[in-house]
Amino acid sequence: EVHLVESGGDLVQRGGSLRLSCAASGFTFSSYWMSWVRQAPGKGLEWVANIGQDGNDKYYMDSVKGRFTISRDNAKNSVFLQMSSLTVEDTAMYYCAILPCCTHMQLSVAYWGQGTVVTVSS
Amino acid sequence: DIQMTQSPSSLSASVGDRVTITCRASQDIGNALAWFQQKPGKAPNFLIYDASSLQSGVPSKFSGSGFGTDFALTISSLQPEDFATYYCQQHKSYPITFGQGTRLEIK
Repeated sequence: EVHLVESGGDLVQRGGSLRLSCAASGFTFSSYWMSWVRQAPGKGLEWVANIGQDGNDKYYMDSVKGRFTISRDNAKNSVFLQMSSLTVEDTAMYYCAILPCCTHMQLSVAYWGQGTVVTVSS
Repeated sequence: DIQMTQSPSSLSASVGDRVTITCRASQDIGNALAWFQQKPGKAPNFLIYDASSLQSGVPSKFSGSGFGTDFALTISSLQPEDFATYYCQQHKSYPITFGQGTRLEIK
C-alpha cells in the first residue's frame, strides 16, 4: 500500500524559512515524478512543484520560483520542499503527491499524503 | 499558462439525482485531464484519468468525457457520500493547473 507522510509544517514569521519532508513507502519511489501541491484555507488546490525520477528535472509555479526548492533522496525514499522568503500568501496545507502526469506509466496514478500545515504570520 | 475553468462553482442536488460538472481549458490539452474528489479535511481522491478512464476501484457511477478544451464529469444516482468538492487537473504542460473546484451540496 502506498503511503506518503509529510512533516515539517510549522508557524513561521514572514520572511522566514521552512523545510518540508515527505517519506514515501509501498512503491518504487525512484520510478515516479513527485509533486508538492498546496491548499490555502478554504481555497482550491494549487500545484507548487514537480521533480523528476532522478532529481534532475524540476518545475515550479511562478510565484515560488527562486524561493522554493524541491529535491529528493531516492536512497531514503523521500522528497523535500525547502521554502524561503515566506509570505502570508504561502500559508496553506502542503500535500506531497504523485500526480497523473509526466510519464506514460504515471498517467493513471495518483496518491496524496495527508498534508502538513504551514502558517506564515505577519 | 493553461487556465482551467469549472462550472458551476457550486451545485445543489438531491440524493438519486444525476449531475454534470464541466471543465474548460484555455487551450487544447488533448485528453491530459484528471478529476479528483475532495471531502472536508481530507486529501483528494483520484477518480478519472486521461479525461474518460475510470481509476481502479472508483464506482462506475462516475464517468468522464471530453477532448481538447471541453470536459465533463458526470455522477449518476447521487448518494450522501458523493457530496464533496470536485477538481479537474491538466497535465498537458507546465505549470500543472487545477480548476477552481465545484462544490456539490445536498439540496
